[in-house]
Amino acid sequence: QVQLVESGGGVVQPGGSLRLSCAASGFTFSNYGLHWVRQAPGKGLEWVAVIYSDGGKKYYVDSVKGRFTVSRDASKNMMYLQMNGLRAEDTAVYYCARDCGPTNYQLDYWGQGTLVIVSS
Amino acid sequence: QSALTQPASVSGSPGQSIAISCTGTSSDVGGYNYVSWYQLHPGKAPKLIIFDVNNRPSGVSNRFSGSKSGNTASLTISGLQAEDEADYYCTSYTSIITLVFGTGTKVTVL
Repeated sequence: QVQLVESGGGVVQPGGSLRLSCAASGFTFSNYGLHWVRQAPGKGLEWVAVIYSDGGKKYYVDSVKGRFTVSRDASKNMMYLQMNGLRAEDTAVYYCARDCGPTNYQLDYWGQGTLVIVSS
Repeated sequence: QSALTQPASVSGSPGQSIAISCTGTSSDVGGYNYVSWYQLHPGKAPKLIIFDVNNRPSGVSNRFSGSKSGNTASLTISGLQAEDEADYYCTSYTSIITLVFGTGTKVTVL
C-alpha cells in the first residue's frame, strides 16, 4: 500500500537550517508529483512546494521562495525539503503528499507529518 | 496568492445535509477543474474526499459530493453522521502553477 513517512523535524533557532525527508513506498515513484504542505499551530493548511514526477520542475509558495528547496532521489524513493533561513512563522507540522498523477495538484496520499519548531 | 474563502464553521444534526462553500477567483477555482476537498480529523493525516470538482476516490462514502459554479466550489455532506465531525479544506490549482488551500471549515454534528 502507498506509504509516505516524513522525518527530520525538530527545534531550530531562527536563521537556522533543517532538512526534511519523505520516504515513499508502495507505488512507482517516478510516475507521481510530490508536494509539501504545512500546518502551523492552530492554523489552516498551507501548500509549500511541489516537485514534478521527473524532478524537472519545482514551484514554491512565495513566502518560502529563495529559502526552501525541494528535491527528490528516484534511486532511494525519497523527497527532501531543505529549509534555510528559518523564521518563527515557519513553525508547523510539515506533511509530504503524493499528487494524483504526474502533477494535477490534487493530493491522494499524505504522510503523518513532522513537526518543525523555530524558536530561540 | 490569497487563500480560498470558506465559512469558519458549519453545523447540522445527524441525518441532515450541509454544504460548505469555497470561493476563489477566475485564476483558481473558476479557471480550472482541479478542485479538491480534504477531511482532517485531529491527529490524523488529511484525507482526500473529492477531486476534479465532483469525483470521489475509491472508498469514500457517496454521502460526500462536490460541485462548482463560477468561482465557487461546494462540498455537500448528506445524511450527516457523527464521524463526519472534522475540519474540511478545499484546494485549487492556480494560474501561477501553485496550489491554494481554503481557510478551512469546522463541521460540528449537533
